[in-house]
Amino acid sequence: EPEVTQTPSHQVTQMGQEVILRCVPISNHLYFYWYRQILGQKVEFLVSFYNNEISEKSEIFDDQFSVERPDGSNFTLKIRSTKLEDSAMYFCASSSDSVTEAFFGQGTRLTVV
Amino acid sequence: GIQVEQSPPDLILQEGANSTLRCNFSDSVNNLQWFHQNPWGQLINLFYIPSGTKQNGRLSATTVATERYSLLYISSSQTTDSGVYFCAVHTGGGNKLTFGTGTQLKVEL
Repeated sequence: EPEVTQTPSHQVTQMGQEVILRCVPISNHLYFYWYRQILGQKVEFLVSFYNNEISEKSEIFDDQFSVERPDGSNFTLKIRSTKLEDSAMYFCASSSDSVTEAFFGQGTRLTVV
Repeated sequence: GIQVEQSPPDLILQEGANSTLRCNFSDSVNNLQWFHQNPWGQLINLFYIPSGTKQNGRLSATTVATERYSLLYISSSQTTDSGVYFCAVHTGGGNKLTFGTGTQLKVEL
C-alpha cells in the first residue's frame, strides 16, 4: 500500500541551527502539506503546496519556514534559526486533490535544545 | 475559522466495552476524516467520511453533515485501541484540514 515516508524520525538540534525535514509523498498525489503537533496539543496546519508553489499557509508559517520540492519525489520543510518553541512532531501529508483523503507520514520528532 | 470540538476529552474503558466518540464542527464541511494517533505518535487513517456511514471491522463512523457532527463507534475495545482519536475537517475556500481537540482513550484489561 502506498504511504508517505518521512526522514528522519527523530532530530535533535541546537537552538539557532537550521534543520531540513524530508518527506516522500505518495507518488500520484498532487497536494502536499506540513502540519505540526506540539506535545499534548492538537495537530496544526502549517502549509500546503500545489503545482510547485505554496497554495495556503497559516500564521505559524512565517519567514523562518520554507518548503521546497527539489525533485519529482521529495518535499522538504526547512526551519531556519530554530527556537525552543519549534520543538514538536512535524507531519507531512499528501492527497490526490484538495478535498480527498489526506494521508500522513509517521512524523519527525524535532527537539530543539 | 471553523471550530472543531470533540467529546469526551478523556475516556477509560475496560477491554470488551463499546464507546462512542463525538466530533462537532461549527460550519459546513466537504471532507471529514477520523484518525487514531498511536502511542508512538503516528496518525493512522481510520475513515474518510464527509457524509453517511462506514464500517471497518470493529470501528464504524457516521457523519450527519446537515447537523454538523460525526460519531466514531468502537465496539469490543482492545488495549491496542488506546491512543488519541482526532477528527479533522476540510472546509471550502482552502485545502487544509482543521483538527479537533482529540479524545484520549485508554483501554484497560
